[in-house]
Amino acid sequence: AQTVTQSQPEMSVQEAETVTLSCTYDTSESNYYLFWYKQPPSRQMILVIRQEAYKQQNATENRFSVNFQKAAKSFSLKISDSQLGDTAMYFCAFMEYGNKLVFGAGTILRVKS
Amino acid sequence: DGGITQSPKYLFRKEGQNVTLSCEQNLNHDAMYWYRQDPGQGLRLIYYSQIVNDFQKGDIAEGYSVSREKKESFPLTVTSAQKNPTAFYLCASSIKHRSTYNEQFFGPGTRLTVL
Repeated sequence: AQTVTQSQPEMSVQEAETVTLSCTYDTSESNYYLFWYKQPPSRQMILVIRQEAYKQQNATENRFSVNFQKAAKSFSLKISDSQLGDTAMYFCAFMEYGNKLVFGAGTILRVKS
Repeated sequence: DGGITQSPKYLFRKEGQNVTLSCEQNLNHDAMYWYRQDPGQGLRLIYYSQIVNDFQKGDIAEGYSVSREKKESFPLTVTSAQKNPTAFYLCASSIKHRSTYNEQFFGPGTRLTVL
């Protein structure tokens, strides 16, 4: 079964600085998708960024980018120029093609002014 | 506005009672999902449905039941057999379960507390 591990339960960062959240996963599949979701205090789940395993280029969405290392089964999220609105729980998630999502336990990120 | 609605936002239940959580979507999505969220455990899949009148168990289906009589609705019943039902419940939907990629859109959630 696929598993997703987020080893950092909590992190903090100063406003305007950069922070990296870690995620590792385990699968025997070669084709899959990886996601980072954000859950702010409102508890609404918001898709931040996705990565397709067959693409070597790392995905980028504005201030959010990933470092996808397929051989190492690592998928970290980098947030640049951190803003107070980035304060949230961040979940790493894995999906095989057409299959269900498997989530990590989450990392609480606090952005300090 | 297109989206997913869940009701109620907060729900209280006495031990031994069944309770039903509502999930409705007007996105014309084929697939719908129910997740449970507990502190420190992320989201876990309870049930999912790819098409009307069909649904499958997820990883933690014991003590729960669902129905899918209409495309836009996927209610979840938490039965008295669920030993620890206090949690945050999230509903999601996606366009098509078995295509190459299906982004799941989430509702705002229901917080269930057993008194």
